Amino acid sequence: KAGVTQTPRYLIKTRGQQVTLSCSPISGHRSVSWYQQTPGQGLQFLFEYFSETQRNKGNFPGRFSGRQFSNSRSEMNVSTLELGDSALYLCASSLVGRESYEQYFGPGTRLTVT
Amino acid sequence: QKEVEQNSGPLSVPEGAIASLNCTYSDRGSQSFFWYRQYSGKSPELIMFIYSNGDKEDGRFTAQLNKASQYVSLLIRDSQPSDSATYLCAVNRPSGGSYIPTFGRGTSLIVHP
Repeated sequence: KAGVTQTPRYLIKTRGQQVTLSCSPISGHRSVSWYQQTPGQGLQFLFEYFSETQRNKGNFPGRFSGRQFSNSRSEMNVSTLELGDSALYLCASSLVGRESYEQYFGPGTRLTVT
Repeated sequence: QKEVEQNSGPLSVPEGAIASLNCTYSDRGSQSFFWYRQYSGKSPELIMFIYSNGDKEDGRFTAQLNKASQYVSLLIRDSQPSDSATYLCAVNRPSGGSYIPTFGRGTSLIVHP
């Protein structure tokens, strides 16, 4: 079974621009979560989508948004990029469940903001 | 107090030894506990999960959960150099009627030959 895929793998953007990242979950997985990983803050939860609805949200500004499509693929968008948004953005999918959350991560998108 | 705390390490053990990794969490309502392994430059990989108090064994790995002490641990028996990685502890802590996955900063493990 194919794993979680993310595109693009690397991205360089300029401050003030916006960016869209894409994630395709493992086949059959309906939950997709997004995370930001930085050396300073570690792995931080952005939001989770389940059946096209945002189910949970972390403590990030409104510049970070996402959506999920009927095939469970998900996108996240960051508007008005700041230098501090440079990070590894990880997507993780899980089968079901509010409590279990056995998540499987994609390879990530490395975003550099200059 | 951080929500999930881990000793950053590095924890250095000789090949063949038992590596013991520890994690504490602050929210007593937390459910579901996970250990991920992350190699440098790679994404986290789920290696163990535990939901109930006690021990859970899978191959060379044993996860231990003590909810009364708010403590989760991971034991790696017969450690191999290939186990050298950062180990992330994660818990699902309650938030607004649901659960938010919250990660510790990770413990770096070095297994030397």
